[in-house]
Order: sequence, then C-alpha cells, then structure tokens
Amino acid sequence: NAGVTQTPKFQVLKTGQSMTLQCAQDMNHNSMYWYRQDPGMGLRLIYYSASEGTTDKGEVPNGYNVSRLNKREFSLRLESAAPSQTSVYFCASSSTSGPAYEQYFGPGTRLTVT
Amino acid sequence: QKEVEQNSGPLSVPEGAIASLNCTYSDRGSQSFFWYRQYSGKSPELIMFIYSNGDKEDGRFTAQLNKASQYVSLLIRDSQPSDSATYLCAVHQAGTALIFGKGTTLSVSS
Repeated sequence: NAGVTQTPKFQVLKTGQSMTLQCAQDMNHNSMYWYRQDPGMGLRLIYYSASEGTTDKGEVPNGYNVSRLNKREFSLRLESAAPSQTSVYFCASSSTSGPAYEQYFGPGTRLTVT
Repeated sequence: QKEVEQNSGPLSVPEGAIASLNCTYSDRGSQSFFWYRQYSGKSPELIMFIYSNGDKEDGRFTAQLNKASQYVSLLIRDSQPSDSATYLCAVHQAGTALIFGKGTTLSVSS
C-alpha cells in the first residue's frame, strides 16, 4: 500500500499561472482533504470531500477549486496563482467507519509562487 | 469559531525526562481528539487518538482527556532525541473536518 500519494513534490509558478495538484489514496477511504501549512499558522483546511461526488469549502477556499474525480483521487487547482499561495500543501484521507476521522497524510507539495 | 489552542514552544526537555504537551479546545461538542507528530520537512503522522475521558497509553505515549475542562494532553515518557518534532493536536466534531492547533515544538537534548 502506498497510502496517500501527491504529485508534484515541488513546484515553482509565476504569478498568474495555473496548475493542478494531484492526490490519490489506495486505502479505500471515503473522505479526502486538502490543507495548506504556513509557518506559524498550522494546518488550514482548504476543501474537503466527505464522499465521492461531494465537496465542501474549508477555512481558506478562496483562489482554489477541487475535483473529486473518483473515490481514489482528489485534485486541487489554482486557476491564477498568487504569491500568497506560496505554501506546503498536504492531501489527507480518512475512513468514515471505525475510528472516525483518523486522517492519513500524503508527503506534501512545496509550492512557490514568484 | 471553533478553536484549538496549543503553546507554540519550544518545549525543551533532557533525554529520559517526561515531556508534557497540552491542548485546549473551544467546542464542547467535540467528540474525538488526535495527536500528530510532524518532523521538519515531513508530513504529519498520527500517533494517538482518544475519545473517552481519562488516560490512554500506547508504549511511551499517554493521551489524557478531560472533556469537562476541554483539555487534552500528551505525555511522552523517557523522551528521546528522536522525539524532537512538532506535535499537532486535532479535534473532531461530527459533521465537520478535523480542526488542528498550530502545534508545539518539542526539543529533547541528549
């Protein structure tokens, strides 16, 4: 089991460029999440998907869109990148059965917007 | 607004000592509580979860929950330099995603 995988690991964008961060999990989890982590700010939820076909905004959704492509995959899109979106982005997944909301994280994508 | 508060640290302890990490939360409806460890440059890793009042032990780690005081803590016994990391407290209420604190940095000196 690879767990949660994310691509790319590193990315540099110019202001105004677009890109999609990819996330996949092989744990048959229903729920998936996107977070950003900035120094001194902790983990902040961008969007989440409680189940296939549903998505909901988190704490900091502005400037982002998401797609739950199927049960395994959940992508995050930046349509017009801004320097304020320089951050480390983590994808996570969790099961909604058993110990609820034990989230497992991917390795992260380090994004720099210049 | 639901909040999870942690002292940012750094918390410094000598090798072999007990490290005590604390977390308070604002929402009385919170149902489950998690501790994650994050090494520098790495992703968060789940180390403990607790649902019921009292203590839960796993090896050198003990999670303590007091819902009346809205307080959850993590004790690390016989601290090792490899325990040096940032520890994130997270809280869950039904129907919402996890809410994370900003983390406490622990430094264990040999």
